[in-house]
Amino acid sequence: GENVEQHPSTLSVQEGDSAVIKCTYSDSASNYFPWYKQELGKRPQLIIDIRSNVGEKKDQRIAVTLNKTAKHFSLHITETQPEDSAVYFCAASRGTGANNLFFGTGTRLTVIP
Amino acid sequence: GAGVSQSPRYKVAKRGQDVALRCDPISGHVSLFWYQQALGQGPEFLTYFQNEAQLDKSGLPSDRFFAERPEGSVSTLKIQRTQQEDSAVYLCASSLNSGRLETQYFGPGTRLLVL
Repeated sequence: GENVEQHPSTLSVQEGDSAVIKCTYSDSASNYFPWYKQELGKRPQLIIDIRSNVGEKKDQRIAVTLNKTAKHFSLHITETQPEDSAVYFCAASRGTGANNLFFGTGTRLTVIP
Repeated sequence: GAGVSQSPRYKVAKRGQDVALRCDPISGHVSLFWYQQALGQGPEFLTYFQNEAQLDKSGLPSDRFFAERPEGSVSTLKIQRTQQEDSAVYLCASSLNSGRLETQYFGPGTRLLVL
């Protein structure tokens, strides 16, 4: 089955700096890669996703890049703000049959004011 | 519109008790997923429904876990004879269609603590 690895597990940045979180996946058939933000005790919220037919996608301060050859994708947050502090999860969908998500282990991002 | 809702939000059970967790997906969503999230971990897939049909239950950890969605909307995850290792947050997610690349919307979860 699919195996998604995520690094780092914790990340602290100064407000205004950039944050980068990286994930790798094992199943070459995966073709959908969402990122979720989860605040303490809250539901995971989709912040951005990318499909395998594109290499990069940007939405304001958030961008995701995908390298299908290397089987890795990354989340980039620029001009970080304290409200960006949360746990971020990457995920991959195998894209065949049920499109259940395989999640990474999460990155706890702390933005220091 | 209303998002995915789950009830109860918190459940404390004594070891050996049966529990039932409810999920109300977004109206009209065809696909429904259950995930288990252990403390400090990412969600792990349990089972998947397309309408009322349970198409994948490969993630259910044991035969004590049972899920149903009899009318293709509300779903119930039942855990029989709960064990301490069942303590986790149980998340429900729904997506509009059954396509491979559909966005999944999550509920707030049910936090289960088995004593």
